[in-house]
Amino acid sequence: QVHLVQSGSELKRPGASVRISCKASGHTFSNYTLNWVRQAPGQGLDFMGWISTNTENPTYAPGFTGRFIFSLDTSVNTAYLQITSLKADDTAVYFCARGAAAGTGYHYYYFMDVWGEGTTVTVSS
Amino acid sequence: DIQMTQSPSSLSASVGDRVSITCRASQSISRFLNWYQQRPGKAPKLLMFAASSLQSGVPSRFSGRGSGTEFTLTISNLQPEDVATYFCQQSYTTLYTFGQGTKLEVK
Repeated sequence: QVHLVQSGSELKRPGASVRISCKASGHTFSNYTLNWVRQAPGQGLDFMGWISTNTENPTYAPGFTGRFIFSLDTSVNTAYLQITSLKADDTAVYFCARGAAAGTGYHYYYFMDVWGEGTTVTVSS
Repeated sequence: DIQMTQSPSSLSASVGDRVSITCRASQSISRFLNWYQQRPGKAPKLLMFAASSLQSGVPSRFSGRGSGTEFTLTISNLQPEDVATYFCQQSYTTLYTFGQGTKLEVK
């Protein structure tokens, strides 16, 4: 069975850093991209970006450049999200999600088909 | 960025009803449109990809249609477990964007 298991909740002070992990199992890690999505309290879903599990090249969405870092440890099928210089409005649930594709011929359609359970990050003094 | 706009923001319906949610893109996205269901306190779950392809294991009560800039998710024979927020998401560009969500209440 395919799973993404995320690390536990974090409580951090403003200005600190946090690293969230997302461990994949049940599938070939390098066959899928790994996406990150943020959900602030009571809000919708914000796509943060993704990382290629082949090249380890990250792509960041607008608003998630600079303080947000995607990385991998392919030896343990784990992706990481690091956030530096934390601010109060970084308080959110952070999800990792497997990126997959389906299609034939001219079109491949991309979607996020397996999600981690989410990691709550609270930033408070 | 491609902006995704959902309507309505919330709706309430009874068990057995049929409901529809609309998602509009700020530019044509062909059929690169996915739908997700997020139950309270849970992670999102993929319902539909490529506008109308049902993800494995999702009940056939869920259906999707549309292309270009306008898309619809329809839930037939509404069930109590359908209480959730529904999000559309475009995958036309590699920087995906989500709609703001539609909160569904079942009376």
